[in-house]
Amino acid sequence: GAVVSQHPSRVICKSGTSVKIECRSLDFQATTMFWYRQFPKQSLMLMATSNEGSKATYEQGVEKDKFLINHASLTLSTLTVTSAHPEDSSFYICSARSPAGGRETQYFGPGTRLLVL
Amino acid sequence: EDQVTQSPEALRLQEGESSSLNCSYTVSGLRGLFWYRQDPGKGPEFLFTLYSAGEEKEKERLKATLTKKESFLHITAPKPEDSATYLCAVQAAPRAILVFGKGTKLTVNP
Repeated sequence: GAVVSQHPSRVICKSGTSVKIECRSLDFQATTMFWYRQFPKQSLMLMATSNEGSKATYEQGVEKDKFLINHASLTLSTLTVTSAHPEDSSFYICSARSPAGGRETQYFGPGTRLLVL
Repeated sequence: EDQVTQSPEALRLQEGESSSLNCSYTVSGLRGLFWYRQDPGKGPEFLFTLYSAGEEKEKERLKATLTKKESFLHITAPKPEDSATYLCAVQAAPRAILVFGKGTKLTVNP
C-alpha cells in the first residue's frame, strides 16, 4: 500500500508556542489530504480537508486561525497549531487520498503525539 | 446524517477462536466502506475497501463482507498479533469524506 509519513512523531511544547506537523505522501501524489485528531479511547475526528493549491476546508467547531493548514505541493501538507494550550494535547493523524486503479483509498500516517505543558 | 456503529466495543478471544466484528451504517450514496486496523499509538493501517453489496475481500485470516446495511469482518483462527482496534468507516457522496465508527478493540489471548 501507499506510504504516508509524519514528522515529528512526538512533540512536547510549552503553552503559548506554535507547533508544526508535516505530512508527506512518499510514493504517490495526493491532491487531497486530511487532518484528524484522536483523543484517548475515541475514534478519529476529522479536523479539515486540505486540497493542494487551495484553502483548507475546516469541519464545524475547528478554529481555522488556530489550526493552520498548508498544502503547498502534491506530496506535502502541514498543520500548525498556533498558540498551543494544554487542551490541544492530542494525537494528530494525517491522511492522504491515493487514486489506485480508478478507486481512491485513504492511507494514514503514523500520527504525532502532541503534549502541551 | 451518515452514521456508523460498530459492535461489540471490545472482544476477547482465545487464540484460534474465530469470530466476527460488525459495522452497521446508515448513509445516503455509499461510495465505499473501509476497514482499518489501529495499534496503540499508531495511525490506522488500511485493510479493505468494499464498494457494493455482496462484495467480499480476504487477507490472511481476515475476511470482509458487505450488505446494504452492514459489513462484517470475520477473523478466522486469530493469533495474538491480531490484537488491535479495528475501525470501520464509510465514504459517502457528495463530500466523500470518511465517517468512522468508534472501533472494536480485539484482544486475542495465547
